[in-house]
Amino acid sequence: AAGVIQSPRHLIKEKRETATLKCYPIPRHDTVYWYQQGPGQDPQFLISFYEKMQSDKGSIPDRFSAQQFSDYHSELNMSSLELGDSALYFCASSPGRAETQYFGPGTRLLVL
Amino acid sequence: KNQVEQSPQSLIILEGKNCTLQCNYTVSPFSNLRWYKQDTGRGPVSLTIMTFSENTKSNGRYTATLDADTKQSSLHITASQLSDSASYICVVSALGSARQLTFGSGTQLTVLP
Repeated sequence: AAGVIQSPRHLIKEKRETATLKCYPIPRHDTVYWYQQGPGQDPQFLISFYEKMQSDKGSIPDRFSAQQFSDYHSELNMSSLELGDSALYFCASSPGRAETQYFGPGTRLLVL
Repeated sequence: KNQVEQSPQSLIILEGKNCTLQCNYTVSPFSNLRWYKQDTGRGPVSLTIMTFSENTKSNGRYTATLDADTKQSSLHITASQLSDSASYICVVSALGSARQLTFGSGTQLTVLP
């Protein structure tokens, strides 16, 4: 069965650079969520989209922005990267806002 | 404040043995409780999802229980396998938006041969 696809799987950036993470939800899933998981920490909810509109906002820094496109894929744009942004970024999708979220494999971001 | 506490933090068992993981929550108003399995560096994979009216739900060798009165859940793994080694995360959802997901810190399970 198709799963959530995230790209790239690994990314190395330097401080103050920008990064774009991509998420391709499971087909026919209209809701996408972004999470940030620091080393040894719980996933922290960043932002979600439902039918291409921002659905909810969590602890997403102002330096980050995200959007969901017409094909339901989503991109997380991160600017002015800081060392503390080094983390595993998960995308999850669901067929509706209240349904079980299916997580992607994550993008591991390392900021040097 | 919504909280999810899991115990034990880590657990080591021998292959073939059974084990039970615990989850206590204070999330309100309660919507549902999910157990996820997360391999190191991978995304969490959903094992079970339980709503207020469900007491037990099974998924293969995994059986989850929910006591909505005491706000406790357990995940029982039978006949453990080496591939069961992972972090098991209890996630509780409050009524409302997805923002209301509260993650437990997980139980790190290691299955030894």
